[in-house]
Amino acid sequence: DTEVTQTPKHLVMGMTNKKSLKCEQHMGHRAMYWYKQKAKKPPELMFVYSYEKLSINESVPSRFSPECPNSSLLNLHLHALQPEDSALYLCASSYGQTVSYEQYFGPGTRLTVT
Amino acid sequence: AQKVTQAQTEISVVEKEDVTLDCVYETRDTTYYLFWYKQPPSGELVFLIRRNSFDEQNEISGRYSWNFQKSTSSFNFTITASQVVDSAVYFCALSEDPNFGNEKLTFGTGTRLTIIP
Repeated sequence: DTEVTQTPKHLVMGMTNKKSLKCEQHMGHRAMYWYKQKAKKPPELMFVYSYEKLSINESVPSRFSPECPNSSLLNLHLHALQPEDSALYLCASSYGQTVSYEQYFGPGTRLTVT
Repeated sequence: AQKVTQAQTEISVVEKEDVTLDCVYETRDTTYYLFWYKQPPSGELVFLIRRNSFDEQNEISGRYSWNFQKSTSSFNFTITASQVVDSAVYFCALSEDPNFGNEKLTFGTGTRLTIIP
């Protein structure tokens, strides 16, 4: 099973709303990632968790708040977003956070901020 | 700094034609990994292949083949007898780790492949 699931598939939120994106994997992977992808662009790394600890934060604004409650779950809490934050948010996981491991991606959450 | 260049922004070919997607990379590390991912219109990135810097053997998987040449820093991807289902955006990516525990995947800008029936 090489599946990473993400919910919701689509999300529309106002700039004053608080919402959360959820990501789950049951492959026993110990590294999990959040990426942001704008249209016709490659994914941009936002956060990396390794063994449930935040190991990389790519200078992401504080209106994005990641959380890793356990090794299978990854959340992204959203608050006071801007219209330019509208994008496809992809979650990924890998066996470990080392160069050799391929990442498996979820289908993404398409976020629209109005 | 690492960099991946996919010079072909968009390619269209007629079904059953062969097509090659180019990928050129830059890195100062001697140990690194190269990847290809496929992103169909549904949005999910699908892992296709991983190749480490010490293994220059070409690889074939069904209609897919990859040519890794360190001398030219290239890792090209060929689809033989293309099919409509191959239509997608294809990303080449590089992973290096100058500081252990801080690895990142650097993606190229992607090549949008359209297979015309």
